[in-house]
Amino acid sequence: EIVMTQSPATLSVSPGERATLSCRASQSVSNNLAWYQQKPGQAPRLLIYDTSTRATGIPARFSGSGSGTEFTLTISSLQSEDFALYYCQQYNNWPRTFGQGTKVEIK
Amino acid sequence: EVQLAESGGDLVQPGGSLRLSCAASGFTFSTYTMNWVRQAPGKGLEWVSYTSTSSSTIYYADSVKGRFTISRDNAKNSLYLQMNSLRDEDTAVYYCARDAYYYAYWGQGTLVTVSS
Repeated sequence: EIVMTQSPATLSVSPGERATLSCRASQSVSNNLAWYQQKPGQAPRLLIYDTSTRATGIPARFSGSGSGTEFTLTISSLQSEDFALYYCQQYNNWPRTFGQGTKVEIK
Repeated sequence: EVQLAESGGDLVQPGGSLRLSCAASGFTFSTYTMNWVRQAPGKGLEWVSYTSTSSSTIYYADSVKGRFTISRDNAKNSLYLQMNSLRDEDTAVYYCARDAYYYAYWGQGTLVTVSS
């Protein structure tokens, strides 16, 4: 099983600032990496797939990069609605696995 | 509009059984692979099970293998999860999610609580 490790666990950022979230895979997942946003009481929402492709309706301030084992989600200028939990997920192998999440909170 | 609606969650005793359903609409259900993903209270996301369009290929997480059974009825646009021998650690919100790789569509989830 591929273990996905996200860092940091919590990221404190002021509105308008940049947020950089990291995700590391225990073995290469090529570019088969997705990012999700989840708010309390809601289902996850797909943000990014194939490492860097924004899902439908996702604002351009969200961007993804990386390959192999190291990946990054960048939120260029945090808006109030961006404070949430973020998960990465690999789909290179079965079982599909998620990181433990990064909480982006207001500083 | 794609919609997925889970149902069937309940409070059940350890060792008990439960069957979850996911009603799909807004797309041709029979042409899409489907999954169950769960989230324990205050915890992260865990993929549980996958079925191909014709149910010819099915996968399970090790944590549920031998206890849970995924199935689908393409005529009824429905996905199911039969859960047997339930344990405390199966307590979670269970989501159905579409597609084989990344999950662009999720239901709202149904809560399963395993407790005596």
